[in-house]
Amino acid sequence: EVQLVESGGGLVQPGGSLRLSCAASGFAFSRFTMNWVRQAPGKGLEWLSCITSGSGTIYYADSVRGRFTISRDNAENSLYLQMDSLRPEDTALYYCARSRLGSDLDYWGQGTLLTVSS
Amino acid sequence: DIQMTQSPSTLSASIGDRVTITCRASQSINNWLAWYQQKPGKAPKVLIYQASTLENGVPSRFSGSGSGTEFTLTISSLQPDDFATYYCHQYDSYPYTFGLGTKLEIK
Repeated sequence: EVQLVESGGGLVQPGGSLRLSCAASGFAFSRFTMNWVRQAPGKGLEWLSCITSGSGTIYYADSVRGRFTISRDNAENSLYLQMDSLRPEDTALYYCARSRLGSDLDYWGQGTLLTVSS
Repeated sequence: DIQMTQSPSTLSASIGDRVTITCRASQSINNWLAWYQQKPGKAPKVLIYQASTLENGVPSRFSGSGSGTEFTLTISSLQPDDFATYYCHQYDSYPYTFGLGTKLEIK
């Protein structure tokens, strides 16, 4: 069974940093492109970033480029999102999601909540 | 960036109704469109991908159609479990983008 479990969320002050993790199991993690998507409270979905299987290609949304860094460790079956210079508008539930062979997002974790507030 | 315009934003319907949700892309995305269902407190779940391919395990009352810039999600006969929020998603080019969502409510 495919499982994605996010962790690392919490309360951070504006300007602070945090690293999110996503532990993957039940599939060949090293073969799939992985993504981060967030959802602000009561709002819609916002795609943030993706990283290809071997980390050779990375994309970011404009809203996080230069502040967030995606990475992965295929040996550990883990995906990461390093978030720096955090802003109150970054407050959201952060999901990791698998790309179906470079296609849509076929599996999602349950999310980890980030709150940016003083 | 490709903008996804989804309508309506809210839809009130009754059990057994046929409902259609529309998504329009700001430029052609070929068939690279997915539809997701999200219930409160849960992660999104893919229903349809590549515009019209039904995800394994999704009831056949859900269907998708369209190509280029105009797409629809149809539920042929609403069931109680279908009341949720639905999002379209283009994966033709980065950055990936989503529609703002359609909340399907019980009339």
